[in-house]
Amino acid sequence: NAGVTQTPKFQVLKTGQSMTLQCAQDMNHEYMSWYRQDPGMGLRLIHYSVGAGITDQGEVPNGYNVSRSTTEDFPLRLLSAAPSQTSVYFCASRLSAAGGPRDTQYFGPGTRLTVL
Amino acid sequence: KQEVTQIPAALSVPEGENLVLNCSFTDSAIYNLQWFRQDPGKGLTSLLLIQSSQREQTSGRLNASLDKSSGRSTLYIAASQPGDSATYLCAVSSSNTGKLIFGQGTTLQVKP
Repeated sequence: NAGVTQTPKFQVLKTGQSMTLQCAQDMNHEYMSWYRQDPGMGLRLIHYSVGAGITDQGEVPNGYNVSRSTTEDFPLRLLSAAPSQTSVYFCASRLSAAGGPRDTQYFGPGTRLTVL
Repeated sequence: KQEVTQIPAALSVPEGENLVLNCSFTDSAIYNLQWFRQDPGKGLTSLLLIQSSQREQTSGRLNASLDKSSGRSTLYIAASQPGDSATYLCAVSSSNTGKLIFGQGTTLQVKP
């Protein structure tokens, strides 16, 4: 299994540009999520999905869109990039939608995004 | 609202020392607590997962404990090595929302 994969690893955008961060998992996990990590702020949840066709907002959803057309893929779209979106983005997945005592979250390697 | 706090924010110790990292959380309605390691510029590696019904988990030189009633967990690292230098994050999986809530991490430096 490749686990959770993310592309690209690095990206530089200009203010106002749009782009899509890709995330895929090959573990047949129901739950997938996106986090951003900023110095002094920890990891914060952007959006999450409990299955194909079902998405919901996390703690910091503004400026981001998601969709989940398949179990494997969960892309994160930046609609109009702003310097405040400069961050490291992590995609994660776990087996069950609801979570459980044994349910471990698996993380991708991250995408480092800079918005100028 | 679940809040997770890690103390200290940074820690520097000489090689060979035993050390303890602390994590506290405000809501005891959790499925589990996970400890992660993050090296600079890298992703998160899961170290230990403690289920809500468990008191501790061990992996090699690492031992994590959980006291759900008091909202505390500790990560004990025995005989620390320079290779242990990294940021350690704890996260709780809320049984109310299913979400994983992170602390801000403890950055550990082990000096040779």
